[in-house]
Amino acid sequence: GAVVSQHPSWVICKSGTSVKIECRSLDFQATTMFWYRQFPKQSLMLMATSNEGSKATYEQGVEKDKFLINHASLTLSTLTVTSAHPEDSSFYICSAQGVVVGEQYFGPGTRLTVT
Amino acid sequence: DAKTTQPNSMESNEEEPVHLPCNHSTISGTDYIHWYRQLPSQGPEYVIHGLTSNVNNRMASLAIAEDRKSSTLILHRATLRDAAVYYCILAPSGTYKYIFGTGTRLKVLA
Repeated sequence: GAVVSQHPSWVICKSGTSVKIECRSLDFQATTMFWYRQFPKQSLMLMATSNEGSKATYEQGVEKDKFLINHASLTLSTLTVTSAHPEDSSFYICSAQGVVVGEQYFGPGTRLTVT
Repeated sequence: DAKTTQPNSMESNEEEPVHLPCNHSTISGTDYIHWYRQLPSQGPEYVIHGLTSNVNNRMASLAIAEDRKSSTLILHRATLRDAAVYYCILAPSGTYKYIFGTGTRLKVLA
């Protein structure tokens, strides 16, 4: 099946700094990628839809100025958490539309800890 | 977006079949039923999806009720590696914007 990677797999940063997370589709092109956030013991929450070459679409309640998304190519989307605070500590997961209709491929996730 | 309802948790013995139910009484005619599972500290993994007819693949089977208001994911022989949270998701054809519910945490007993 198609593979989606994320980098880094985990990151620790200080409060007030920014962190960039990369999501790559390794063996297929993805015009649309999605970013999710997951807190411990909770389900995934969709944050935004990332479209190649255009602005991301954010879900209600997600601050677009805080979570900057860039989909610069058909294989790369990035999520930048700006001015991170401890409450932004979470597991961030990206996904990409698969080549097979109906399948969506998820990355392994990035664990962000803000101290 | 149509909602799904799943039991919070289920247990199964290893090597036995597991039936994971999902209720989706507000499903619309264009909604596909998708199943994903998530192992601890990993991203979700595709399991199976269907529209109206029952579906089989190497991982599992999907049984869809005739009125499509419920479905059941069937793992034919549970293994310890099948212990995960299983999510049932509805999405219209061509839409990949998934809204995850709470899922079912499956525990497999050796």
